Amino acid sequence: SQTIHQWPATLVQPVGSPLSLECTVEGTSNPNLYWYRQAAGRGLQLLFYSVGIGQISSEVPQNLSASRPQDRQFILSSKKLLLSDSGFYLCAWSRDEAYEQYFGPGTRLTVT
Amino acid sequence: SQQGEEDPQALSIQEGENATMNCSYKTSINNLQWYRQNSGRGLVHLILIRSNEREKHSGRLRVTLDTSKKSSSLLITASRAADTASYFCAPSGYNQGGKLIFGQGTELSVKP
Repeated sequence: SQTIHQWPATLVQPVGSPLSLECTVEGTSNPNLYWYRQAAGRGLQLLFYSVGIGQISSEVPQNLSASRPQDRQFILSSKKLLLSDSGFYLCAWSRDEAYEQYFGPGTRLTVT
Repeated sequence: SQQGEEDPQALSIQEGENATMNCSYKTSINNLQWYRQNSGRGLVHLILIRSNEREKHSGRLRVTLDTSKKSSSLLITASRAADTASYFCAPSGYNQGGKLIFGQGTELSVKP
């Protein structure tokens, strides 16, 4: 069966510090991968998606970036965090665009 | 935009009652998906309905799709306190990498 992991579960970082969130998927190959952010009490905002290694599509201009160094690994990064980067970050995967997405447990980021 | 817009924003019912949530979208879709999110957790996929389907069932869940009206509804029958969560619809277009644009969701509260 397939599983998706995210870490860390919670993170408190000062403004201006770097960020690296990792997402890995097990039990499938060549998945589509997605990063979402959810502000408190709001819906999900799609940040990046990837249909293959090295293929990253950005949905929202911001100081975040994403990389997919391996087939089942998706990394969200920032060189300098802003207060507005606080939120709940969710990674998801799907078999391809015609199928449902499976979400990880999320990382709660607080920028202070 | 493929964003789904849920209605109502909040719904409060008693255990045993039925809950109906609606979703509207603006452009043609490949499929439409419904997800549930318990507070502070990742999203859980409920049902995917394809553009050529009109109705789909899963346990106590019933989803309808009317592509002519660009709308969908989620019915939860005989609700339970454990159904308390936020519910999101997500239309998915063709050739877009499966990306989902979520709305703000419907916050359902089921009182025992």
